[in-house]
Amino acid sequence: AQSVTQLDSQVPVFEEAPVELRCNYSSSVSVYLFWYVQYPNQGLQLLLKYLSGSTLVESINGFEAEFNKSQTSFHLRKPSVHISDTAEYFCAVTKGVTSYGKLTFGQGTILTVHP
Amino acid sequence: ETGVTQSPTHLIKTRGQQVTLRCSSQSGHNTVSWYQQALGQGPQFIFQYYREEENGRGNFPPRFSGLQFPNYSSELNVNALELDDSALYLCASSLIQGSNYGYTFGSGTRLTVV
Repeated sequence: AQSVTQLDSQVPVFEEAPVELRCNYSSSVSVYLFWYVQYPNQGLQLLLKYLSGSTLVESINGFEAEFNKSQTSFHLRKPSVHISDTAEYFCAVTKGVTSYGKLTFGQGTILTVHP
Repeated sequence: ETGVTQSPTHLIKTRGQQVTLRCSSQSGHNTVSWYQQALGQGPQFIFQYYREEENGRGNFPPRFSGLQFPNYSSELNVNALELDDSALYLCASSLIQGSNYGYTFGSGTRLTVV
């Protein structure tokens, strides 16, 4: 079975500071990895995904994540955060084409950006 | 393209009652999955439907059941509601096709069982 651990439940930062949200996973097979963002009282929005190829993936709003197979990690980073980045972030994993719909999520990290 | 829409947005039910939640998949998506997100937790996989048949199930009892219709819309039914069923229920549709592999989530239905 696969599992996801988000190492920080809450991360407070000041605006324009860098941030890293940590995610580790365990799986005996190759996986696809995702980061989702959830704003209050809303559903999940895909931030970025790793399927194959380059281990560094980027989103359109400045976030990036690096797949590290040896450390089984997929940490999310942003060099300079904005107030609008305040939200809850979820790391998720699936076994890929053999497990189409089943995403396994971490417990979430609440990112709070202070002015 | 249209996104995933869920209805109703909020619902209050009494313990022991039955509830039906609805989901319209994103245009072109043929797979739908349902998740339960309890307060302060990450979403938990309930089950997935592909071509109108259940195709994978998480650790949920049989009183959680579903349907997928020919137009790829879907229902989640929960019988004999319990207080612990109070949660945000999320529907996600997907189309597994190469680099388009991904899931689009709806905004969810907030179910409160009293």
